[in-house]
Amino acid sequence: ILNVEQSPQSLHVQEGDSTNFTCSFPSSNFYALHWYRWETAKSPEALFVMTLNGDEKKKGRISATLNTKEGYSYLYIKGSQPEDSATYLCAFFASGGSYIPTFGRGTSLIVHP
Amino acid sequence: DTEVTQTPKHLVMGMTNKKSLKCEQHMGHRAMYWYKQKAKKPPELMFVYSYEKLSINESVPSRFSPECPNSSLLNLHLHALQPEDSALYLCASSQDMAYEQYFGPGTRLTVT
Repeated sequence: ILNVEQSPQSLHVQEGDSTNFTCSFPSSNFYALHWYRWETAKSPEALFVMTLNGDEKKKGRISATLNTKEGYSYLYIKGSQPEDSATYLCAFFASGGSYIPTFGRGTSLIVHP
Repeated sequence: DTEVTQTPKHLVMGMTNKKSLKCEQHMGHRAMYWYKQKAKKPPELMFVYSYEKLSINESVPSRFSPECPNSSLLNLHLHALQPEDSALYLCASSQDMAYEQYFGPGTRLTVT
C-alpha cells in the first residue's frame, strides 16, 4: 500500500488570500503525479499532470511544483476566489508497469467572500 | 465531446437485487476506471480496463462484476450487495494508462 498524504485536510481562507497545500508521496519508483479539483456536485477535473522532477505548471492563478527526489508536490492558488472552493486531490502513479493511481484524501478549500 | 456520462445518478437497491451502473465516453480513450468513494476518504480504485481488457482488479468482492462491451462503454454489475457498499461510484477514462483522467459525475448508491 502506497502512502500518499495531503495536508492540510481543510483550509478556510478569505477572498484574495494566496494559499498552498502539499501532497507527499513515496520518493522511489515515481512515474507521475496528477492534481484534480473536485467541486461539490461536480466531477473531479484534472488540473495538472506532472512527470519530471522540478516541473512547474501553471493554469491561471493556480500553479504546482514537483520534487520527486524528496517526494512532494505543492499546489498554489494566488488571490483565492470563492469559486476556487473545492477539494483538491493528488494522485500518485508508481513506475513498474501497472500505473495504478493512489489518491490522497484531499485538501478541502473554502474561500470566504 | 470531453464528457464522461454515468447512469443512473442515484440508485437505491436491496441486498437481494441485481442492478447495473453504466459509464460512457466518446473521446476515444483506451483506459476506463471504476472507483468507489466513501465520505471523507479518497477514491479507491476498483477496476481498470485498458484496450477493453481488464487490466487491474484491486481485490474487489465478486458481488461487483465489471464489463467493457466496447471501447466507449463500461458497466458495473451489482448483485447481493451489502449496506457497507453504499458509496459514490465514479467512472473515469483516460487516453491511456497514467494519462489525465476525465471523471463522470458518479452514481450515488444506497444499499438497504
